Amino acid sequence: SQKIEQNSEALNIQEGKTATLTCNYTNYSPAYLQWYRQDPGRGPVFLLLIRENEKEKRKERLKVTFDTTLKQSLFHITASQPADSATYLCALGGYNKLIFGAGTRLAVHP
Amino acid sequence: NAGVTQTPKFQVLKTGQSMTLQCAQDMNHEYMSWYRQDPGMGLRLIHYSVGAGITDQGEVPNGYNVSRSTTEDFPLRLLSAAPSQTSVYFCASSPNLGDVNTEAFFGQGTRLTVV
Repeated sequence: SQKIEQNSEALNIQEGKTATLTCNYTNYSPAYLQWYRQDPGRGPVFLLLIRENEKEKRKERLKVTFDTTLKQSLFHITASQPADSATYLCALGGYNKLIFGAGTRLAVHP
Repeated sequence: NAGVTQTPKFQVLKTGQSMTLQCAQDMNHEYMSWYRQDPGMGLRLIHYSVGAGITDQGEVPNGYNVSRSTTEDFPLRLLSAAPSQTSVYFCASSPNLGDVNTEAFFGQGTRLTVV
């Protein structure tokens, strides 16, 4: 069955550093991959989408890579700020479904 | 500019009771879906709909029913609540999930406790 793995342990980094989150998947050939941000008690909010034929996508301080051979996406936040502290979810899209990973909690310390 | 609206925000049910979680969107989106979120398990797809009159099962459909009589509304029915259905439920909509440029818009969630 399809499996999406995100690091279940929280990622703690210092303000100003680059945060890198990993999303690995198996038994799936997604048409695209998305990243969402979720704050406590709130619904997920869309951040970035990258298609299967794209290697990299950027939006302001965010960068996403997508390697369909390794079945992996990396999500980078550069010059991180305490306000970036949240849980980040990756989601694979295709076949009329959007399937989510469990998310990784990021804590950015001043 | 409401987006996706879920009601109620909180609900406590007794085992065996039935209820309907409401979801409405005002963006004229074709695609709507329901997820449940449990600690450590992320969002799991319950049911989805690609348009009015069309629904299909997701990863965890047992114990839940849906219908889509209008584009705007996609209610989720719990037929006979069980403690295992204690969770946070999210409704989401997208213009068309088949479009590779589509993002999903989520509601604020319904926190359901079954005792």
